[in-house]
Amino acid sequence: DTGVSQDPRHKITKRGQNVTFRCDPISEHNRLYWYRQTLGQGPEFLTYFQNEAQLEKSRLLSDRFSAERPKGSFSTLEIQRTEQGDSAMYLCASSLGPGAKGNEQFFGPGTRLTVL
Amino acid sequence: AQSVTQPDIHITVSEGASLELRCNYSYGATPYLFWYVQSPGQGLQLLLKYFSGDTLVQGIKGFEAEFKRSQSSFNLRKPSVHWSDAAEYFCAVGAPGGYQKVTFGTGTKLQVIP
Repeated sequence: DTGVSQDPRHKITKRGQNVTFRCDPISEHNRLYWYRQTLGQGPEFLTYFQNEAQLEKSRLLSDRFSAERPKGSFSTLEIQRTEQGDSAMYLCASSLGPGAKGNEQFFGPGTRLTVL
Repeated sequence: AQSVTQPDIHITVSEGASLELRCNYSYGATPYLFWYVQSPGQGLQLLLKYFSGDTLVQGIKGFEAEFKRSQSSFNLRKPSVHWSDAAEYFCAVGAPGGYQKVTFGTGTKLQVIP
C-alpha cells in the first residue's frame, strides 16, 4: 500500500523565486487537500479538489498561490514570488468520496519550504 | 465556524504513567472528531476518530478518546505511556457530510521521561 507522497521533501529558495510542489495521493482517492503548517501551529486548510475540480480555496491562499489537479490524480501547488512568510510545511492529504469512512484523510510527509 | 482548542502546549510525563490530552471543540452540531500524531520528519498519522455511536473510541497504539457532548470535549487518553509516544498530538474537527474540511488545534507536544 503506497501512501500519499510529496516531492520535494525540502525546498530552500530565495525571496521572489517561484516554487512548485507535487503531491501524489493514494490511487483510489478522488479527494485531495492541501494544508500549510507553520511552527507551533496545527495544519491550516488551503484548498480542496474533488477529482480535477478545485472546489474550495481558503482566504489564506493569496493570488500568488495556485493549485492544480489536471487529471484528477496528482496535484501541484505553485507559489509565485515567494516571501519569507511563505516558509512553512506544506501538507497534502487525500481521501475517498462521501460517507463516514470516506472522510478520513491520509497525509503525506510534507514539503518543508524555507524562503531566504 | 468550527474551531478546536488544545489548552496544553507542552506536557511531560514519566514512562509508564497515564496520559490525558485535552481537546475542546466548537461546532453547532455533532462534528466528526479526530486525533492525529506527528513525529519529527513524519506525516500526520490518524490515531482515532469519532463519527457517531459509542462515545468511547479506541484507536491505534493503545490510545482511546471519549466524546463528551455536554463539555464539547474529546480528550485523548492512554493508560501507560511509552517512550516512543513522544510526539506532537493534534485534535481536529470536521463537519459531517460534505467534503470534510478539517480544522486542527494548535497541538500538544508530549515529552516522555524515563
